[in-house]
Amino acid sequence: GQSLEQPSEVTAVEGAIVQINCTYQTSGFYGLSWYQQHDGGAPTFLSYNALDGLEETGRFSSFLSRSDSYGYLLLQELQMKDSASYFCSLAYGGATNKLIFGTGTLLAVQP
Amino acid sequence: GAVVSQHPSRVICKSGTSVKIECRSLDFQATTMFWYRQFPKQSLMLMATSNEGSKATYEQGVEKDKFLINHASLTLSTLTVTSAHPEDSSFYICSVRGQGGNQPQHFGDGTRLSIL
Repeated sequence: GQSLEQPSEVTAVEGAIVQINCTYQTSGFYGLSWYQQHDGGAPTFLSYNALDGLEETGRFSSFLSRSDSYGYLLLQELQMKDSASYFCSLAYGGATNKLIFGTGTLLAVQP
Repeated sequence: GAVVSQHPSRVICKSGTSVKIECRSLDFQATTMFWYRQFPKQSLMLMATSNEGSKATYEQGVEKDKFLINHASLTLSTLTVTSAHPEDSSFYICSVRGQGGNQPQHFGDGTRLSIL
């Protein structure tokens, strides 16, 4: 089966940079995605890596290394509103592209 | 604006009741939709893939007769939790994959189901 592991909690201060890691044990996926979820809300898409390397989208960057079965999400210039849960996910299934989510990381941004 | 509409947002009902949750794709036709369940402080667990005009594909361990999925049109999928019990209390979320290659999934706002 597929498994994606993330740290359960991360704490950082406003303005700082934080990296959330994601390690997985699987193969045959299309890409690694990252989603943000505020408490009780819907997950929202942040970033996607189809290929190895770094993808940058504003304050958020994501990295994938298939050879290391590893990826990370980098958040820069942290703001209080970034306090949320972050999930890595792998896309499978050909045309259906179903998502399998990681264990999730709760980020707490402190003043 | 919203890409996916999910209703109701919250349901509280007695044990033994069947509950139907609707998921609508607002911006485009969706031959495939997904249903997830999320327990407090846990990850989203894929329950099933809803396929327009055919049977849903359930993930291992998900009871087909317990969680009935119907995808009768290109914009609507429904999940019915039959004879719900307290252990079925959870946050249920649907999603639709965007059109085109490598498109992200768009999620509904979720339905918080509480069975008394």
